[in-house]
Amino acid sequence: GAVVSQHPSRVICKSGTSVKIECRSLDFQATTMFWYRQFPKQSLMLMATSNEGSKATYEQGVEKDKFLINHASLTLSTLTVTSAHPEDSSFYICSARGDGGTYEQYFGPGTRLTVT
Amino acid sequence: SQKIEQNSEALNIQEGKTATLTCNYTNYSPAYLQWYRQDPGRGPVFLLLIRENEKEKRKERLKVTFDTTLKQSLFHITASQPADSATYLCALEDDKIIFGKGTRLHILP
Repeated sequence: GAVVSQHPSRVICKSGTSVKIECRSLDFQATTMFWYRQFPKQSLMLMATSNEGSKATYEQGVEKDKFLINHASLTLSTLTVTSAHPEDSSFYICSARGDGGTYEQYFGPGTRLTVT
Repeated sequence: SQKIEQNSEALNIQEGKTATLTCNYTNYSPAYLQWYRQDPGRGPVFLLLIRENEKEKRKERLKVTFDTTLKQSLFHITASQPADSATYLCALEDDKIIFGKGTRLHILP
């Protein structure tokens, strides 16, 4: 089946620093990748949608200058949390869709970000 | 406003019985609906997709129904096992994909 990896799985950073999270589709080409944030016992909240080679589309309320998304290839998207604050602490999950016209998303294992 | 609602409380089911989870939605007309499983601290895993013209879809011990009149999908796990314990999410796609909060399922041995 389709496999998506994320790195790192956990990261602790100090307030004011930046953190980069990588999302890779390992065995398929991902035309579209999605970035979600999930707080405890809450639903997945879509942050942005990125298509390879073009700018990401951010959801309302998500600061594009704070959450930088790059989808430079069909197998890699990155999310950089800039000038992190403690309220950015959350579980960040990426997902990917192939280019075969299917609708299901394949999720990465998630990254637990803690900002101290 | 658009809403997706799933049983907010945890569901406890005895091993071997059928677990039924509900997903209701309002103000959507989705072409399809998806169900995912999420284990603690992990990303969701895709289970099933059902289209608006399909009333029922099966995969092994899983069955999903989709009633566009009632605006409801039911997700059934037959012969449930403790390993089925997880949170189950339904998702719709309108102009973007929206997930419900999920229902935590506990299968009791």
